[in-house]
Amino acid sequence: GDSVTQMEGPVTLSEEAFLTINCTYTATGYPSLFWYVQYPGEGLQLLLKATKADDKGSNKGFEATYRKETTSFHLEKGSVQVSDSAVYFCALSNSGGSNYKLTFGKGTLLTVNP
Amino acid sequence: EPEVTQTPSHQVTQMGQEVILRCVPISNHLYFYWYRQILGQKVEFLVSFYNNEISEKSEIFDDQFSVERPDGSNFTLKIRSTKLEDSAMYFCASSYDFTSTDTQYFGPGTRLTVL
Repeated sequence: GDSVTQMEGPVTLSEEAFLTINCTYTATGYPSLFWYVQYPGEGLQLLLKATKADDKGSNKGFEATYRKETTSFHLEKGSVQVSDSAVYFCALSNSGGSNYKLTFGKGTLLTVNP
Repeated sequence: EPEVTQTPSHQVTQMGQEVILRCVPISNHLYFYWYRQILGQKVEFLVSFYNNEISEKSEIFDDQFSVERPDGSNFTLKIRSTKLEDSAMYFCASSYDFTSTDTQYFGPGTRLTVL
């Protein structure tokens, strides 16, 4: 079945550091890929998405490129802020099947220190 | 900005008791979902719901679970006889469309603790 593997946390960075959170997936068909973020005490919010190979999703300085050849969707940000501290979830939704449930990775806790 | 809301934020119950978790999806959305996250594990799909019917359910969603849209705004998840292993964060989500590219909007979650 479909699955998502993302880098284990926690990740601790200093403000203005470069961030990469790795995400790889296994899926049949043509999945769409998502990054969701969960700030403390809040629900999951869509951060960005990409729906086909080579698409780049971007939002709030974060980027991720859908790489079909490496089945990856790594999240990057050039300069993190304290306010980026949150849990980040990589997820996929697969159009190859008969339903469009989201399949999530385990989540990566990011802490950014001033 | 419209959002999905969930109540209560935290529910504590005794094993064997029934619980109902409530969600108010975004008002013009047509598709509704429940997910759960056991502490330290992945967020897992439980069930999707459209047009007053279950569209898809996972193997987790056994006969102890049921969903309902009792009126035009609420969407509920009932666990008939809770077990210790049902302790988890339960997330409700909704979407306007039912395609792999559409965005599912999530609520803040209900933390269920079964003692």
